[in-house]
Amino acid sequence: EVQLVESGGGLVQPGGSLRLSCAASGFSFSGYWMHWVRQAPGKGLVWVSRINNDGRSTLYADSVKGRFTISRDNAKNTLYLQMNSLRAEDTAVYYCARAGGCSNAGACWFDPWGQGTLVTVSS
Amino acid sequence: DIQMTQSPSTLSASVGDRVTITCRASQSISTWLAWYQQKPGKAPKVLIYDVSSLESGVPSRFSGSGSGTEFTLTISSLQPDDSATYYCQQYDTYSTFGQGTKLEI
Repeated sequence: EVQLVESGGGLVQPGGSLRLSCAASGFSFSGYWMHWVRQAPGKGLVWVSRINNDGRSTLYADSVKGRFTISRDNAKNTLYLQMNSLRAEDTAVYYCARAGGCSNAGACWFDPWGQGTLVTVSS
Repeated sequence: DIQMTQSPSTLSASVGDRVTITCRASQSISTWLAWYQQKPGKAPKVLIYDVSSLESGVPSRFSGSGSGTEFTLTISSLQPDDSATYYCQQYDTYSTFGQGTKLEI
């Protein structure tokens, strides 16, 4: 069974840091691009970042560029999101998602998604 | 950035009804469009990708159509389990989602 399990969320003060992890199983992790998508409480879905299969190419939403870093360890079948300089507006459930298929420009639809991990930025 | 606008924002319907949700893109996205279903407290689940391709395991009462800037998700005969929020997503350039349509049955 294909499975993605996020961890690492929690309460952090503004300006703080947090690292999220996403453990993948049931598929050949190194063969897929991976993404992070977030959802603020009661709000819609927002794409955050993506990484290609060997980790050499990354892309970020403007709202997190320069503060967040996506990475992966294919030997451990794990995706990461290092989040620095956190702001209140970063409060959200963070989902990792596998690329289902991608357009010519390298943007993708997502399948499956993990269950999500909640990040709360508050003093 | 490509903006995605869904309508309606909320929709109330009955079991057996046929419902349609519309998604408009601020510029042409060819056929790079997906639809997701999300139930409270759960992760989104893809229903349709590439405008009209049904994801494996998704009931055939779900269908998608459109091209360019206007797209629709149709549920042909509503079931109680279809109560959820539905999102469209463009993946022509980067990735953006519509604001969601909450379907109440």
